[in-house]
Amino acid sequence: EVQLVESGGGLVQPGGSLRLSCAASGFTFSSYWMHWVRQAPGKGLVWVSRINNDGSSTSYADSVKGRFTISRDNAKNTLFLQMNSLRAEDTAVYYCARGIHSFDPWGQGTLVTVSS
Amino acid sequence: QSALTQPASVSGSPGQSITISCTGASSDVGSYNLVSWYQQHPGKAPKLMIYEVSKRPSGVSNRFSGSKSGNTASLTISGLQAEDEADYYCCSYAGSTTYVFGTGTKVTVL
Repeated sequence: EVQLVESGGGLVQPGGSLRLSCAASGFTFSSYWMHWVRQAPGKGLVWVSRINNDGSSTSYADSVKGRFTISRDNAKNTLFLQMNSLRAEDTAVYYCARGIHSFDPWGQGTLVTVSS
Repeated sequence: QSALTQPASVSGSPGQSITISCTGASSDVGSYNLVSWYQQHPGKAPKLMIYEVSKRPSGVSNRFSGSKSGNTASLTISGLQAEDEADYYCCSYAGSTTYVFGTGTKVTVL
């Protein structure tokens, strides 16, 4: 069964950092692009970042560019999102998802709360 | 990277058909046949329903169909059922390996 499981969310103060992980199983992780998508409480989905299958190419939404870094460890079947200089508006459930131009499947999400 | 525009809500009676629109720009929806649609039930992760404008993943009911004309994509749900009540989001490739989601539509089955 294809499965994605996020972890690493929690409460962090404004200006702080957090590293999210997404553990993949049930498929050849190194063959797929991966993405992070977030959803603020009660709001819609927002694409955050994408990485290609070997990690050599990344892209970001303007709202996180320069603050967030996506990476992957294909030997450990794990995707990461390093989030620095966090702001209140970064508060959201963060999902990882597999795919190139569509996202399937999605993990269950991990909640990041930025508050003092 | 402005969000694609969707109606906030759409409703229909069981058995009816409804259509959700997704309006973007010539730089995203209008330029690429890379529109996808997602269903999200409350408290759950999104689920892919349509990809590349009109293709259905294995396991998705053929009651769901997609199309595109110009800068507007559409999702049609035919034979509306109670379990179709959920939020629906479109998403388009926007160039330079970036993506943009729609504002979301709440579907209510009357």
